[in-house]
Amino acid sequence: AQTVTQSQPEMSVQEAETVTLSCTYDTSESDYYLFWYKQPPSRQMILVIRQEAYKQQNATENRFSVNFQKAAKSFSLKISDSQLGDAAMYFCAYIRGNTPLVFGKGTRLSVIA
Amino acid sequence: DAGVTQSPTHLIKTRGQQVTLRCSPKSGHDTVSWYQQALGQGPQFIFQYYEEEERQRGNFPDRFSGHQFPNYSSELNVNALLLGDSALYLCASSYSLAGRYEQFFGPGTRLTVL
Repeated sequence: AQTVTQSQPEMSVQEAETVTLSCTYDTSESDYYLFWYKQPPSRQMILVIRQEAYKQQNATENRFSVNFQKAAKSFSLKISDSQLGDAAMYFCAYIRGNTPLVFGKGTRLSVIA
Repeated sequence: DAGVTQSPTHLIKTRGQQVTLRCSPKSGHDTVSWYQQALGQGPQFIFQYYEEEERQRGNFPDRFSGHQFPNYSSELNVNALLLGDSALYLCASSYSLAGRYEQFFGPGTRLTVL
């Protein structure tokens, strides 16, 4: 079974600085998708960024970018110019084909003003 | 364009009772998945509905059941509630012809079992 591991339960970053959240996953498949979701205190799970495994280029969405290392099964999220609104739980997730999303346990990010 | 909606927002029940949670998918979506998120944990997959049938199921007991209606909305039913069923229940919708990879989540229903 696929597993997703987030080894950092909590992280903090100064406003305007850069932070990187780590994620590793285990799969024997070659074609899959990876996601980072943000869950603020409002509880709404919001998609931050997605990466298709067949694409070598790392995905980027404004201040958010990923470092996708397929061979190492690593998928880290970099947040640049951190803002107070970035404070939330961040979940790494994996999906392949018609299988359901598999989530990590999450990383709680605090942003210090 | 309304996103995924869920009702109710909060619910308090006692052990042994039954509960029904509701979900309306994002416009244009035909697949609904349900997840349970215990406090401090990531969401765990319960089941997925497509064409009014349960297509996939996670490792949850038969006390958890669901339904999908012709308008694609869905219900999650939990019978004989246990204290351990206290959690945030998330509904996510997706579109089958787009591969269901991108799932849009609702705000969740917080269930407390006393």
